[in-house]
Amino acid sequence: DSGVTQTPKHLITATGQRVTLRCSPRSGDLSVYWYQQSLDQGLQFLIQYYNGEERAKGNILERFSAQQFPDLHSELNLSSLELGDSALYFCAAEDTLYEQYFGPGTRLTVT
Amino acid sequence: GNSVTQMEGPVTLSEEAFLTINCTYTATGYPSLFWYVQYPGEGLQLLLKATKADDKGSNKGFEATYRKETTSFHLEKGSVQVSDSAVYFCALSDPTSYDKVIFGPGTSLSVIP
Repeated sequence: DSGVTQTPKHLITATGQRVTLRCSPRSGDLSVYWYQQSLDQGLQFLIQYYNGEERAKGNILERFSAQQFPDLHSELNLSSLELGDSALYFCAAEDTLYEQYFGPGTRLTVT
Repeated sequence: GNSVTQMEGPVTLSEEAFLTINCTYTATGYPSLFWYVQYPGEGLQLLLKATKADDKGSNKGFEATYRKETTSFHLEKGSVQVSDSAVYFCALSDPTSYDKVIFGPGTSLSVIP
C-alpha cells in the first residue's frame, strides 16, 4: 500500500459526460502527478501540481483539467468524454527524492 | 527532448533464468533513473533507483547500474521467479522540466514454471 488513495476505483459513463477523479497523496507530499494508461498509448504523463500550483503539463487534452486544493488532494476533471478516453488513470505523489508513489488507479469506461 | 527507450517485450522466461531488460535514455541534464514495476491489476511501485553516474540501485534481487557513458540503466536479475511476472517501466526524473518524470513504454515479463 503506497498510502496514496484514489476514488472511485471504477467509473462507467456515457460519451459526452463529465467525470471527476480524486486523489489524496500521503501526508507531507506536495507534488501530485496524473497519468493515463491505455493499452495502445502506454503510460502518459498528463499534468503535475506542486503545492497547489500547476508545475508541468504533458499530453493532456483541452477537455481535461485538474487542480490541487489547499489540503493537497487533487482532482482530475474529464469532460465531453469520448470512447477513446477509456483508460486507467493514476495519480502519483512525489517525495523530495523524486520517488513516485502511485495510487491504485481509477478505471474509466466510456460507453 | 528527453526520452526513455526500453525493450517492449513481451519477454517470457523460465523460472530461475537470468533476466535483462534494456533501458537507454536521452537527457540534457543529470537525471535520476528509476525502475518501476506494475503487477496485474495494481498501480506502479518503485523497484529501485540511482541518482548519479555509476550508482547501482538494487532491491528484491533486481539491480541496475547508472551508466552515463552509454546512457543506460539496464535491469537485471540473476534468477527470476513466477512472482516476478509483471510490467517493468524504466523512468527518468528530468531536472530541466520541474521534476517531471518520463516513463518508458514498459516491458511485460512472464515467468513460467
